[in-house]
Amino acid sequence: QKEVEQNSGPLSVPEGAIASLNCTYSDRGSQSFFWYRQYSGKSPELIMSIYSNGDKEDGRFTAQLNKASQYVSLLIRDSQPSDSATYLCAPKIYNFNKFYFGSGTKLNVKP
Amino acid sequence: DGGITQSPKYLFRKEGQNVTLSCEQNLNHDAMYWYRQDPGQGLRLIYYSQIVNDFQKGDIAEGYSVSREKKESFPLTVTSAQKNPTAFYLCATQNGLLSGELFFGEGSRLTVL
Repeated sequence: QKEVEQNSGPLSVPEGAIASLNCTYSDRGSQSFFWYRQYSGKSPELIMSIYSNGDKEDGRFTAQLNKASQYVSLLIRDSQPSDSATYLCAPKIYNFNKFYFGSGTKLNVKP
Repeated sequence: DGGITQSPKYLFRKEGQNVTLSCEQNLNHDAMYWYRQDPGQGLRLIYYSQIVNDFQKGDIAEGYSVSREKKESFPLTVTSAQKNPTAFYLCATQNGLLSGELFFGEGSRLTVL
């Protein structure tokens, strides 16, 4: 059983602060890593993808990957109330072409 | 418009009835997936298909069936054998068989009365 662990939250941060979302995974065969944002009652939308160790930045979002520690994180700078959502971590095992999802971290950004 | 269309968005079913959820895409993506989401939980894989006329069971395939007769279409049937079918069902496509990201439709919410 492939496990993806995320703190369910809610994580509350004030507007303008940095939100840090963490994810650990059990399968060392995971090669690609994705972060999805899901608003209540809606479907997930892709925020970031990361494939190599290190940091990847895209606007206010930075994904960090450490395969040795089996850890991936998402930083959101200058958090906005519109960032309030559940964030899902999804590692993918290359050979099996299957995505596994964590249960998500709920983020609340307070004005 | 390019995208993934799921229908219906909301569906009510009586116990013992089979229902079919539609998923159509015009993105020309080869791989398609069905996930189930229960409140406060992550997505669980039901079935996936990488090419036409071929599909594989996911982690929770029991009580579900699929077909992939056309590249554009991947319908999911929730059968009466599924013990707890009330859930949010999500169809997704993948842009590239091995390294591509998943993109989701808007979902279908099934409630069993």
